[in-house]
Amino acid sequence: DAGITQSPRYKITETGRQVTLMCHQTWSHSYMFWYRQDLGHGLRLIYYSAAADITDKGEVPDGYVVSRSKTENFPLTLESATRSQTSVYFCASSESIGAGGPGHEQFFGPGTRLTVL
Amino acid sequence: GDSVTQMEGPVTLSEEAFLTINCTYTATGYPSLFWYVQYPGEGLQLLLKATKADDKGSNKGFEATYRKETTSFHLEKGSVQVSDSAVYFCALRTGGFKTIFGAGTRLFVKA
Repeated sequence: DAGITQSPRYKITETGRQVTLMCHQTWSHSYMFWYRQDLGHGLRLIYYSAAADITDKGEVPDGYVVSRSKTENFPLTLESATRSQTSVYFCASSESIGAGGPGHEQFFGPGTRLTVL
Repeated sequence: GDSVTQMEGPVTLSEEAFLTINCTYTATGYPSLFWYVQYPGEGLQLLLKATKADDKGSNKGFEATYRKETTSFHLEKGSVQVSDSAVYFCALRTGGFKTIFGAGTRLFVKA
C-alpha cells in the first residue's frame, strides 16, 4: 500500500517489557519523525531521522530508542515500558525540512495506541 | 522559544454555522504555518498551509491567512458540516527538523 503505515495499531503491554512500534513509508522521504500525543499536550517529538543511519533526539526522547537501517522504515523501541509511556504514537515523514520550500509538510501514519499496565 | 497557542475546545456548533478557531504564534525567523485535521481514530492530515506573510491557505472550504503583524493564523469556514467534526491543530515550522504543534481544538458539529 502506498503511503505511511504503522503497526500494530493497538498494543497492550506490561511495565518493564520491551515494545517495538513499526513505521513504514513508501515515498522514499528522507525525513521521518516519531511523536507522542497526550491529552493537553498536543504532539511532542520523540526522535527524528534525516536519512538512513542518521537519527537525533527530539523533545521527549527518554526511555525510547530508534534505528533507521533502511530509508523506508523507522522503528521506535521502548526498552522497558513504563505507565507514563501510555500514549498514542504517530510516525510522520516529509520530503524536506525547509521552512517554505515544497515538500516540507509532514504526512502522518494512522497511529499506534499503546497501553502500559 | 517558538510556540503555538490555539483556542481551547471543545467548540460546539450547529450545522451551517460559521467557524473560527484562533491560533497565534511566537517564532524567530519566518515560519511556515499549517493547519492539520485529525478525524476520530486517524492520524493528522494537512488541511492547509501558508509560507509567507499575507498568504491565504485554503482547502475544503476552510481558509486561514498568515498575519505577520498580529502573529496569527486563524482558521475559518463559512458553513460547517457534521463531517467537519474533528480535532484541529495549528502548527509552525521555521526550517530544521522541528514542527511546533498547538494543543489542538476539538470541534463538534450538531445536525
